[in-house]
Amino acid sequence: EVQLVQSGAEVKKPGESLKISCKASGYSFTSYWIAWVRQMPGKGLEWMGIIYPGDSDTKYSPSFQGQVTISADKFINTAYLQWSRLKASDSAMFFCARSGEDYGDYWGQGTLVTVSS
Amino acid sequence: QSVLTQPPSVSGAPGQRVTISCTGSSSNIGAGYDVHWYQQLPGTGPKLLISGNSNRPLGVPDRFSGSKSGTSASLAITGLQAEDEADYYCQSYDSGLSGWVFGGGTKLTVL
Repeated sequence: EVQLVQSGAEVKKPGESLKISCKASGYSFTSYWIAWVRQMPGKGLEWMGIIYPGDSDTKYSPSFQGQVTISADKFINTAYLQWSRLKASDSAMFFCARSGEDYGDYWGQGTLVTVSS
Repeated sequence: QSVLTQPPSVSGAPGQRVTISCTGSSSNIGAGYDVHWYQQLPGTGPKLLISGNSNRPLGVPDRFSGSKSGTSASLAITGLQAEDEADYYCQSYDSGLSGWVFGGGTKLTVL
């Protein structure tokens, strides 16, 4: 059974760093892309970027390029989304999704990030 | 402002049929890229409902169907049920942005 299990909710202060995770199981991690999608409170879905764990090829949405870093560790079947300096406007729910053909066929449960002083 | 345009809300009575439209442009749907649909129940992550314009993943009822024409796509739900009350999102690929693009989402209310 394909599963993507994301790390738990985080509460951080502006300026702090953060790395959230998405652990995959039930399929060959290195054969599918992993996408990250943001959902701000009460808003729609926004594609942030995508990584191919097989060779770490990574693409970012222009809106998120330089704002976040997407990475993956193929030895522990885990993808990551990280920020070096959080802002209050980074508060949102973040989803990871497995992708084989430009869409997400399996999704994680989401990680809520709250950034507040 | 989402790249793909959806109506903010639709509603229907149990048993009725509703459709949700998704309008794009020549750099995404009109360029031939497939449209995919997701259902997001309150407090949960998105679930793939339709892939490749009209393909239902295993387990998705045949009450859900998708179509695409030109720069637009549609999701149809027949035999509306209370459990269908959710947010629905369309998604495609955009060659200008070199990535996924989503519609703004449509809230379905079952009256």
